Amino acid sequence: DGGITQSPKYLFRKEGQNVTLSCEQNLNHDAMYWYRQDPGQGLRLIYYSQIVNDFQKGDIAEGYSVSREKKESFPLTVTSAQKNPTAFYLCASSLRASSYNEQFFGPGTRLTVL
Amino acid sequence: DAKTTQPNSMESNEEEPVHLPCNHSTISGTDYIHWYRQLPSQGPEYVIHGLTSNVNNRMASLAIAEDRKSSTLILHRATLRDAAVYYCILRAGPNFGNEKLTFGTGTRLTIIP
Repeated sequence: DGGITQSPKYLFRKEGQNVTLSCEQNLNHDAMYWYRQDPGQGLRLIYYSQIVNDFQKGDIAEGYSVSREKKESFPLTVTSAQKNPTAFYLCASSLRASSYNEQFFGPGTRLTVL
Repeated sequence: DAKTTQPNSMESNEEEPVHLPCNHSTISGTDYIHWYRQLPSQGPEYVIHGLTSNVNNRMASLAIAEDRKSSTLILHRATLRDAAVYYCILRAGPNFGNEKLTFGTGTRLTIIP
């Protein structure tokens, strides 16, 4: 089955620790995205990548880092510099990074920092 | 980005049609109207999108006002599985570089059995 996988579904970390969230897609999509969702709110874009070895900051990139070494993988690292890391993190992909293409979302990772 | 306005919540009876409104009075001529929905504790999923003409797909219909300042997502026969938060989003096109989806708080749709 084609799709996007995110792991783990739930993640707990101690304050001050870096943590990396996994996102893999087998849809052969060029573009990938990371969003953050807080309770009762819409999604906000953290980072996006239009192609391998390239990525750009979204609206709330501070305290996060990404890499795009392979087309199918776009891991997100939540660093200790992120002041409020507890949130629901969603990864998405689209065929191309354009307004024509729908974005396909993964099931999300719920991160709780204790 | 042009802004959209949606009611916070709506209720509908099962097996009846549902009309979800969206106002976008500052829409520009090249903005596409997209709808996504998010079921509880899941990622959003694409529902439908359009530019000027009404659109139909297997999930829903999109009715766009003639002046494009409002649109309505129509679920023809609501089921319990349609209970979700529905987001109306404008995406500028066809400019390359408009990658993000700007989500508001959406409309929480409750389906009454």
